[in-house]
Amino acid sequence: DIQMTQSPSSLSASVGDRVTITCRASQSISTYLNWFQQKPGKAPKLLIYTASRLQSGVPSRFSGSGSGTDFTLTISSLQPEDFATYYCQQSDRGPLTFGGGTKVEIK
Amino acid sequence: EVQLVESGGGLVQPGGSLRLSCAASGFTFGTYWMSWVRQAPGKGLEWVANIKQDGGERYYVDSVKGRFTISRDNGKNSLYLQMNNLRAEDTAVYYCVRDKVEGPTNLDYWGQGTLVTVSS
Repeated sequence: DIQMTQSPSSLSASVGDRVTITCRASQSISTYLNWFQQKPGKAPKLLIYTASRLQSGVPSRFSGSGSGTDFTLTISSLQPEDFATYYCQQSDRGPLTFGGGTKVEIK
Repeated sequence: EVQLVESGGGLVQPGGSLRLSCAASGFTFGTYWMSWVRQAPGKGLEWVANIKQDGGERYYVDSVKGRFTISRDNGKNSLYLQMNNLRAEDTAVYYCVRDKVEGPTNLDYWGQGTLVTVSS
């Protein structure tokens, strides 16, 4: 199975900060990488698919990059509604696997 | 508007069975692969199973193979997960998720989830 490793596992940031979350795959997955946001008590929400494509309705402050084994989710200017947990997920081959999550908290 | 509504969760004893259902609306159900994804309390996300549009292909995570069965009824716009021989480690919120038409999985729409608790 492909292992997905996210870093950091948590971070504290202020409104307006630029935030970067990293996801590493245990083997090359091309650009078959998705990013999700999850708020407490809610279902995850797709933000980015195939590494860099913004899902419809997602604010442009979210962006994704990377290919192969190393990927990045960037929030250009953190907003109050962005405090949440973020997960990466590979869709290159089964079983589909997720990273452990990155919790973004208010500083 | 795409909607996925799960039902069937609850408290069950170890070794017991439960059948989850997911009612889909707002899209052409029969044209999409569908998945189940679970989340244990306070933990991360784990993909459980998915099924092709016609039910002809089904895939499972190793931990549920031989115990869980994913199925669908396109005439009823419904997805199911039959869970047998349940274990404490199956305790989780189970999400019904729209998967893909073809190509790589997007998991673009999620239900609100249904809680399964396995405990004596």
